[in-house]
Amino acid sequence: ETGVTQSPTHLIKTRGQQVTLRCSSQSGHNTVSWYQQALGQGPQFIFPYYREEEKGRGNFPPRFSGLQFPNYSSELNVNALELDDSALYLCASRNWRGSNTGELFFGEGSRLTVL
Amino acid sequence: AQTVTQSQPEMSVQEAETVTLSCTYDTSESNYYLFWYKQPPSRQMILVIRQEAYKQQNATENRFSVNFQKAAKSFSLKISDSQLGDTAMYFCAFMMGSGNTPLVFGKGTRLSVIA
Repeated sequence: ETGVTQSPTHLIKTRGQQVTLRCSSQSGHNTVSWYQQALGQGPQFIFPYYREEEKGRGNFPPRFSGLQFPNYSSELNVNALELDDSALYLCASRNWRGSNTGELFFGEGSRLTVL
Repeated sequence: AQTVTQSQPEMSVQEAETVTLSCTYDTSESNYYLFWYKQPPSRQMILVIRQEAYKQQNATENRFSVNFQKAAKSFSLKISDSQLGDTAMYFCAFMMGSGNTPLVFGKGTRLSVIA
């Protein structure tokens, strides 16, 4: 089975621009979550998507938004980029069936640099 | 809100020796999971070991074991017979036991295994 894949692996944007990051979940997984990992820090939860709906949000402003598609893949969109948005963005997927026993599988991340 | 604290930003160990990484957490929940993740330079977050809070027995996975002290809210990772491939960032993480909830990560410990 294929794992979690993310694209692009690296990208550079300038302040004020918009960016879209993509994630293909592992086969059979129905939940995709996005995390932001600033340099030297642990990942911070942005939001999860389950059944194509956002289910809760971490401490991130509305300019961070997302989508989940019927095939469970997902996009993370960030508008009006700021310098502090420079980070590694991680996607994680799992098959949630009413309990948190299922393992979370991570992709290799998209490294975003905002100049 | 749950918090996870890793007080050792960096550690080093000689190859074949044993090292212990510390983690404390704060929660009012009684049903939760604790994890140690490894993040090598490839960036992909890999699950090392997992502990269910309701289990008194400490989890073990080959050379990796934990010391789970629920009353003290402590969750340390012991790596025995350290190998060069163990060099990585190690993150302690918390997840509530119910609901499609996210991982809460600590800031990480950078472990270097020295030949």
